[in-house]
Amino acid sequence: KQEVTQIPAALSVPEGENLVLNCSFTDSAIYNLQWFRQDPGKGLTSLLLIQSSQREQTSGRLNASLDKSSGRSTLYIAASQPGDSATYLCAVLTSGTYKYIFGTGTRLKVLA
Amino acid sequence: NAGVTQTPKFQVLKTGQSMTLQCAQDMNHEYMSWYRQDPGMGLRLIHYSVGAGITDQGEVPNGYNVSRSTTEDFPLRLLSAAPSQTSVYFCASRRSSDAGNTIYFGEGSWLTVV
Repeated sequence: KQEVTQIPAALSVPEGENLVLNCSFTDSAIYNLQWFRQDPGKGLTSLLLIQSSQREQTSGRLNASLDKSSGRSTLYIAASQPGDSATYLCAVLTSGTYKYIFGTGTRLKVLA
Repeated sequence: NAGVTQTPKFQVLKTGQSMTLQCAQDMNHEYMSWYRQDPGMGLRLIHYSVGAGITDQGEVPNGYNVSRSTTEDFPLRLLSAAPSQTSVYFCASRRSSDAGNTIYFGEGSWLTVV
């Protein structure tokens, strides 16, 4: 059974810092891994999707990497800003299923 | 482009009442799903559908019913509400034919059962 873990559960950093969020999964047979942002009281917004054949994806100040063999993904946020404060979730689509399995998220606070 | 639309946004139910959460998408996506989000537990899959007329259970299906009569709509029915069903419910959709396709979420429905 696929399990997805995100550590830490919460993170507080000063503005301008570069930071890394971690996501690990137990079954390496995946179709893709997706990172989401969730603001309080809102739905999930997709940030980056990495297919199983890819190693990384970039969008602006965000870079996500995937290492299937070790069951790990990282989301790198460069030059963090207060507007980056939100909960970040990763989700894995396991091969042979239609089901996304989510981690419990990392709640990020960027201090001005 | 409306994307994924959920109604209602907020609802309070009494124990034992039934209700339907509505979900509609206008992107012609084959795959639709319902998740619930509870503190400390992340999102858990309730039911999903890979096309009109086809539904299947997720991780936590008990107490919920779904149907998929059209590509656009995927309602979630609570048969007899219980306090344990107090949660935030999210509907999602994606084009299922390609692993590179993003999953899109609605804004959520906040349900309280008293």
